[in-house]
Amino acid sequence: DADVTQTPRNRITKTGKRIMLECSQTKGHDRMYWYRQDPGLGLRLIYYSFDVKDINKGEISDGYSVSRQAQAKFSLSLESAIPNQTALYFCATEGTGSGELFFGEGSRLTVL
Amino acid sequence: GEDVEQSLFLSVREGDSSVINCTYTDSSSTYLYWYKQEPGAGLQLLTYIFSNMDMKQDQRLTVLLNKKDKHLSLRIADTQTGDSAIYFCAESPPGGGSYIPTFGRGTSLIVHP
Repeated sequence: DADVTQTPRNRITKTGKRIMLECSQTKGHDRMYWYRQDPGLGLRLIYYSFDVKDINKGEISDGYSVSRQAQAKFSLSLESAIPNQTALYFCATEGTGSGELFFGEGSRLTVL
Repeated sequence: GEDVEQSLFLSVREGDSSVINCTYTDSSSTYLYWYKQEPGAGLQLLTYIFSNMDMKQDQRLTVLLNKKDKHLSLRIADTQTGDSAIYFCAESPPGGGSYIPTFGRGTSLIVHP
């Protein structure tokens, strides 16, 4: 089983709908991240969390929210999806102080 | 914040060597990472080097670090079609704290016969 699991892997939705992307990990890491990937733009950080009570905005948090339900779970929500949120979304974890990130397989979201 | 730059594309012939370059701006002791993203998959760590090292070799992979110029390179010897992927350079200091890893935009390596 994967150490970092994202669901759903693929989702097509319509403008205005609320969408939740879920991430769970079995690595026991405190730090978790949500990124989006667009061609030519690399990875852009949306939100990150250093522990269960900690939530921080990344460089592109507008239109997104997150919830850290437990050490192992970090969910990303799009309250009202719009077409320019069509992208590949990645969750990642990091053991504190290690600097190495472990990524999920990605969630491809298409907003029509 | 810190910045990591890399070129977007590299095309090589199968069997040749590939060299992917990266520059960074952090002036403190730091770890520098190379991640590989194969089509349809997440990123996976390939190798890393600490900023007090000049070189690290691991089978077909050689990482070179020029600390003075803050330039990092990843050389892949005898490049194969299975090496076609996006390669990300990343930088993160040790010890955690409030620092978060910084990624480059990724270099798409295309290997053709």
